Amino acid sequence: NAGVTQTPKFRVLKTGQSMTLLCAQDMNHEYMYWYRQDPGMGLRLIHYSVGEGTTAKGEVPDGYNVSRLKKQNFLLGLESAAPSQTSVYFCATARGDRLYGYTFGSGTRLTVV
Amino acid sequence: DAKTTQPPSMDCAEGRAANLPCNHSTISGNEYVYWYRQIHSQGPQYIIHGLKNNETNEMASLIITEDRKSSTLILPHATLRDTAVYYCIVSNPGSARQLTFGSGTQLTVLP
Repeated sequence: NAGVTQTPKFRVLKTGQSMTLLCAQDMNHEYMYWYRQDPGMGLRLIHYSVGEGTTAKGEVPDGYNVSRLKKQNFLLGLESAAPSQTSVYFCATARGDRLYGYTFGSGTRLTVV
Repeated sequence: DAKTTQPPSMDCAEGRAANLPCNHSTISGNEYVYWYRQIHSQGPQYIIHGLKNNETNEMASLIITEDRKSSTLILPHATLRDTAVYYCIVSNPGSARQLTFGSGTQLTVLP
């Protein structure tokens, strides 16, 4: 039982390049989230999904796109990376009820040069 | 979602209880109080949550005041491994369960 797996763990991009971050979960959770965390700051919500085929914008969605074609996977895309997107990205999942908290992945450290 | 106020940092001696306060004076009736912690650069870890009543699990206890305007997370016997940033979050579970993380409290457990 792996829980929440983020791929890749580290990546360096050049400005203007594109990439996709993958979040995979094996807990059958309905809800999935992408957060970013800049140095010394709390997490900020980028996009989230309440079920397969659905996505919604969070607090800081600009410059990112997401897709949830399968229940177990939530993809975060950067079409044209910018240095301001240098951050640690965390994926989280949650059941559809209020009885449990989020389960987070271990993060993807992205540097855009 | 209601905002929360936490002290930026606290110290605690190893083996003693760590009491982390959180103010959420604008909390509404259907909002829960959640606590998470983040150890160094790892993903945050869920600790506990509650609505009105005090809650306890294997990790911690959550004490919510009767007016629900503040709460305290208690780690009964803090260890060095409890050194982390602790986040108090207030959220309506119906709002797609979105959680808004503030800056939290840096708890340092001292040997």
